[in-house]
Amino acid sequence: DIQMTQSPSSLAASVGDSVTITCRASRSVNKFLNWYQFKVGKAPKLLIYEAASLQSGVPPRFSGSGSGTHFILTITNLQPEDFATYYCHQSYTTLGTFGLGTRLEIK
Amino acid sequence: EVQLAESGGGLVQPEGSLRLSCIASGFNFGDWWMHWVRLLPGKGLEWVARIIGDGSSITYADSVKGRFTVSRDNARSTLFLQMHSLRVDDTAVYFCARDGGPGFQGYAAYWGLGTLVTVS
Repeated sequence: DIQMTQSPSSLAASVGDSVTITCRASRSVNKFLNWYQFKVGKAPKLLIYEAASLQSGVPPRFSGSGSGTHFILTITNLQPEDFATYYCHQSYTTLGTFGLGTRLEIK
Repeated sequence: EVQLAESGGGLVQPEGSLRLSCIASGFNFGDWWMHWVRLLPGKGLEWVARIIGDGSSITYADSVKGRFTVSRDNARSTLFLQMHSLRVDDTAVYFCARDGGPGFQGYAAYWGLGTLVTVS
């Protein structure tokens, strides 16, 4: 299995800040890396698919980059609704594997 | 609007069985790959199973193979997950999700709210 390592595991930031979350794969997943947002009591949300494609309806303050083994999720101009847990997911292999998540908290 | 609504979770004893359902709306259900994903407490997310639109191709995670069965009823736009021989470490919130499509993309573009399964 491909192991996905996310960092940091938690992060505190303020409204208006920019943050980056990193995801590293134990071997290349090409461009097949996706990012999801999880909030308690809400349906999880796909933010970015295939490393850099913005899912329809997701604000452009979310962006993704990377390929191979190193990927980044960037959120600029943080809004109150962005405080959540973020997971990366590789879909290169059958069923794929997830990172352990990054909890983004309000400072 | 795509909507997915899971049901059927609850408390079950080890070695027990449970059947989850997921009712879909807002899209032509039979045209899409569907997935079950679970959020394990303290352990993160695990992709449980996926099924093609006509049900002819199914893949399971090794951790559930032989114990869980995924199926679908396209006439009722409903996805199922039959779980047998449940273990304490199957305790999780179970989500149904629709693939990104068209065809198989391997990521979950839409998710339900999830249903909690507790094995204890």
